[in-house]
Amino acid sequence: GAVVSQHPSRVICKSGTSVKIECRSLDFQATTMFWYRQFPKQSLMLMATSNEGSKATYEQGVEKDKFLINHASLTLSTLTVTSAHPEDSSFYICSARGGDTQYFGPGTRLTVL
Amino acid sequence: QKEVEQNSGPLSVPEGAIASLNCTYSDRGSQSFFWYRQYSGKSPELIMSIYSNGDKEDGRFTAQLNKASQYVSLLIRDSQPSDSATYLCAVTWGGGFKTIFGAGTRLFVKA
Repeated sequence: GAVVSQHPSRVICKSGTSVKIECRSLDFQATTMFWYRQFPKQSLMLMATSNEGSKATYEQGVEKDKFLINHASLTLSTLTVTSAHPEDSSFYICSARGGDTQYFGPGTRLTVL
Repeated sequence: QKEVEQNSGPLSVPEGAIASLNCTYSDRGSQSFFWYRQYSGKSPELIMSIYSNGDKEDGRFTAQLNKASQYVSLLIRDSQPSDSATYLCAVTWGGGFKTIFGAGTRLFVKA
């Protein structure tokens, strides 16, 4: 089956720093990747849709200047949380679209102190 | 506004029973339907996909689709404690470019 990796799996950082999360499709090319955030005991929340070679499309209420997305190749999308604050602490999950199916990465747990 | 509705649960079933998870969707143009399983603290994993009316079986899992009623379900036979998780229904349209996820149903299988 299609495999999507994320790195790092867990990160702890100080308030005010920036954190970069990588999402890779390992055995297929993904023109479209998605970034989600999930708080404890809550459902997935789509943050943005990332298309290779073009600007990401952000969902309403998501600050594009705070959550920078780059989809530079058909197998890699990155999410950078800039000037992270404790309220940004969450589980960030990417998915890559293969055909009409989304395959999820294992997620990155971000803790901002 | 396209919507995917699921009962949040929790749904509790005894070990060995059949667990029935339901999902309704609002857009008649929806084309593809998926069930994902998400364990606590983990990301979702794909269990089943279904595209046409009727039943699709894969091991202990059966997905059922009724486009006229805009209804998709997942049956889990011989439920095991390891099936305890949140099950997400996803509906896709627009050639797969648009997907909406339901909020998920929490399933508990009691040993």
